[in-house]
Amino acid sequence: DAGVIQSPRHEVTEMGQEVTLRCKPISGHDYLFWYRQTMMRGLELLIYFNNNVPIDDSGMPEDRFSAKMPNASFSTLKIQPSEPRDSAVYFCASSRGQFRGSETQYFGPGTRLLVL
Amino acid sequence: AQTVTQSQPEMSVQEAETVTLSCTYDTSESDYYLFWYKQPPSRQMILVIRQEAYKQQNATENRFSVNFQKAAKSFSLKISDSQLGDAAMYFCAYRTPPIQGAQKLVFGQGTRLTINP
Repeated sequence: DAGVIQSPRHEVTEMGQEVTLRCKPISGHDYLFWYRQTMMRGLELLIYFNNNVPIDDSGMPEDRFSAKMPNASFSTLKIQPSEPRDSAVYFCASSRGQFRGSETQYFGPGTRLLVL
Repeated sequence: AQTVTQSQPEMSVQEAETVTLSCTYDTSESDYYLFWYKQPPSRQMILVIRQEAYKQQNATENRFSVNFQKAAKSFSLKISDSQLGDAAMYFCAYRTPPIQGAQKLVFGQGTRLTINP
């Protein structure tokens, strides 16, 4: 199994530009999560999907952030326009289900975003 | 709201020795899951060990074991025979039971573990 795949691994952009982060979950996993890691706030959940449907987006910081999951094997997190305070490591994770034995979340390698 | 506290920002241990990382959490639930994740310098989040709250038996995975004290809401990680490759940030995480539908992992602030050769 290839694990959760994220691209790009590193992204440097200028303030005001659009940024798109991509994620491919583990095959057969029904849940997909987007997390953000910063020094100030630690690891925090932004949004998660179940069977491609957004379930909880209460962690999305503001309207500049949007996430989609057009099919079971692909999700995007978009920031438009980007700001320096968006600089962080963004993780994608997936889990097979929500019940016992299937709830463990497996993380991708993360995308390190730097907004200048 | 559930919270997770790791009171040790940094820990160090001699290679081959044993070290224990502390974690406490706050919840009103009786059934939930607890995890320890490891984040090496590569930043990859790697699952170390998992504990189901309804199980009294402490989880073990090779050199890694936990001391789960449900009444005290404590979930410490013990690493035996420490190896250089164990050097990383360690995060404790809490997850609500599935009946509530919420899937959020709540993380502690992390403990940076250094292994001295």
